[in-house]
Amino acid sequence: AQTVTQSQPEMSVQEAETVTLSCTYDTSESNYYLFWYKQPPSRQMILVIRQEAYKQQNATENRFSVNFQKAAKSFSLKISDSQLGDTAMYFCAFMKHWASGGGADGLTFGKGTHLIIQP
Amino acid sequence: GAGVSQSPRYKVAKRGQDVALRCDPISGHVSLFWYQQALGQGPEFLTYFQNEAQLDKSGLPSDRFFAERPEGSVSTLKIQRTQQEDSAVYLCASSIPGGLGYEQYFGPGTRLTVT
Repeated sequence: AQTVTQSQPEMSVQEAETVTLSCTYDTSESNYYLFWYKQPPSRQMILVIRQEAYKQQNATENRFSVNFQKAAKSFSLKISDSQLGDTAMYFCAFMKHWASGGGADGLTFGKGTHLIIQP
Repeated sequence: GAGVSQSPRYKVAKRGQDVALRCDPISGHVSLFWYQQALGQGPEFLTYFQNEAQLDKSGLPSDRFFAERPEGSVSTLKIQRTQQEDSAVYLCASSIPGGLGYEQYFGPGTRLTVT
C-alpha cells in the first residue's frame, strides 16, 4: 500500500511571492505517477501538474513546477509569482502505473495543505 | 464539453435512512472512481469501474456501501442504513485509461450530512 504525507497543514504567503509545498510518499512500486491537485473553496478538484516517475526531468506548467526526488521519495510543488486565485487546498496524490495501459488505479491522496495568498 | 456532474449537491439524511448519490461522468470516459472526503482530510478511494465492470471495491468501508454502473456511463453510490460516520463529501471522477497521463476529472461532490 502507498502512503502520501503532506507535513504542512497550512501556509500563508504574500501575493507575488514564491511558495513551496512539501510532499513525501512511500511505495514499493517502481512505476507510478504523482500529481498535485488544487481544491478551491467551491470544492471542484483540478489537476495542477503531473509527473511520471520514469522521467527524470521535473514537470513544469507555467508558474507551477515540481522538484521530484525519486530516491528520497519527495515531490514538492513550487508556485512562482503567487496570485490571489491560488488560494486553495493543495493535495499531493500517487497512482500506480498499469503496465498494460488498459486500466487505472485510484489515487492515494495526502491530507492536504491549505495555501492562503495574502494581498 | 460538460464536465463530471453529481447530484444532489447536498443531502441530509436521518441516521438509518438509505441514500443514493449519482455521478454523470464525462462522455466517453471509460474509468469512473468514487472517493470519500471527510472534513479536513484528503479524499479516500472507495471504488473503481471500467465501463460497467467494478474492478476494485477495496475502499468501500462496509457492506452498507454499494456502487453500480449498469450501462457503463452513469454511476450510483448507495449507502444503506446511514450512520453519522458516513457524513462526508463524496467525490466522483472519470478518466480515459492511459489517456492524458491518467488525469482524473472530478465532479463538484455531494455533501452528505447524517443527523
